[in-house]
Amino acid sequence: EPEVTQTPSHQVTQMGQEVILRCVPISNHLYFYWYRQILGQKVEFLVSFYNNEISEKSEIFDDQFSVERPDGSNFTLKIRSTKLEDSAMYFCASSDNRGELFGQGTRLTVV
Amino acid sequence: EDQVTQSPEALRLQEGESSSLNCSYTVSGLRGLFWYRQDPGKGPEFLFTLYSAGEEKEKERLKATLTKKESFLHITAPKPEDSATYLCAVQAPRNTDKLIFGTGTRLQVFP
Repeated sequence: EPEVTQTPSHQVTQMGQEVILRCVPISNHLYFYWYRQILGQKVEFLVSFYNNEISEKSEIFDDQFSVERPDGSNFTLKIRSTKLEDSAMYFCASSDNRGELFGQGTRLTVV
Repeated sequence: EDQVTQSPEALRLQEGESSSLNCSYTVSGLRGLFWYRQDPGKGPEFLFTLYSAGEEKEKERLKATLTKKESFLHITAPKPEDSATYLCAVQAPRNTDKLIFGTGTRLQVFP
């Protein structure tokens, strides 16, 4: 069964450093998303991506965040200068417009 | 503002003891309601999408129903492996495809 793959599964970084979280969406899906979940809280929408551009972003997705689809398979989330409050699980999802399928997540810890 | 409220926050059941989880929503126009299962430290696993009031979907011991104000996830004769957090999410129109999640119901099934 096709699945969304995320790497790394865990990332520890120092405050102020840049991190790149990677995702391989399901191959025939056209819609891509990033969500995050702070420990014990709701899953929150960050950004959606369609046709090689951002289609929607939340207030959380400020100038320190960016997304890219550098080739036909990868979808990345870059956090430019990490803060302590960026510590969370980050989930990538993809969709064929019938329902979003999520990856297993990257646990980001900022120290 | 679009909102999703799930109850109860936590539910403990004996194996075989059927019950229901509730998801109440307020959105300006529902495009879809989604149920996911989330195991600790993992990504949400897609269960069902419901689109219109009166719709029902089933998968093994789970059945999801939808009215104009809420959705129920009925669990019939649960087993310990059904223990997980069950998440409800809605998708509203107005040119958005993001999911708005509830806080989830943490289900524990004891043998």
